[in-house]
Amino acid sequence: NAGVTQTPKFRVLKTGQSMTLLCAQDMNHEYMYWYRQDPGMGLRLIHYSVGEGTTAKGEVPDGYNVSRLKKQNFLLGLESAAPSQTSVYFCASSIGAYEQFFGPGTRLTVL
Amino acid sequence: EDQVTQSPEALRLQEGESSSLNCSYTVSGLRGLFWYRQDPGKGPEFLFTLYSAGEEKEKERLKATLTKKESFLHITAPKPEDSATYLCAVQADSNYQLIWGAGTKLIIKP
Repeated sequence: NAGVTQTPKFRVLKTGQSMTLLCAQDMNHEYMYWYRQDPGMGLRLIHYSVGEGTTAKGEVPDGYNVSRLKKQNFLLGLESAAPSQTSVYFCASSIGAYEQFFGPGTRLTVL
Repeated sequence: EDQVTQSPEALRLQEGESSSLNCSYTVSGLRGLFWYRQDPGKGPEFLFTLYSAGEEKEKERLKATLTKKESFLHITAPKPEDSATYLCAVQADSNYQLIWGAGTKLIIKP
């Protein structure tokens, strides 16, 4: 089992460009999450999903959109990237509201 | 407001020197407290879940304990490979979301 995988691993964008980050899990987990991690701060929840076709806002959702069309995939979109969105993005999944399992992360730089 | 504070921010130990990391929390009804390990450039790796005060869990050189206000991660006779950032998160019984601390960076020198 690959667990949770994320694509791409690294990306550099210019301000105003758009992109989509892909998260895939092969553990048949219902719940999936997108976090961002910035230096000196705890992980902050962007959006989450409790099942296929459902999404909900987390702590810092502004500037991001998500979709969960298939149970195993959770996409995070940036429509118009800003320098404040420079961060490391982590996807996670869980069986119900229990321990979460994380992907390797995507390092995004917005110039 | 629900919050989690980890201390110290960084801890340097000699190999074999035991110590503890602290996670203090304020939450309106604790559903669970989670400990994770994060290596540089990687995602957090799950270690333990604690659900009630008095509960303890162990894994190799690590032992996690929980009270009504804080959790400790005790590390006994650490080795250089235990060097990592240790993250604590709490989950309130009112929702699914985890509230994360900023982490403690642990460095074990040989």
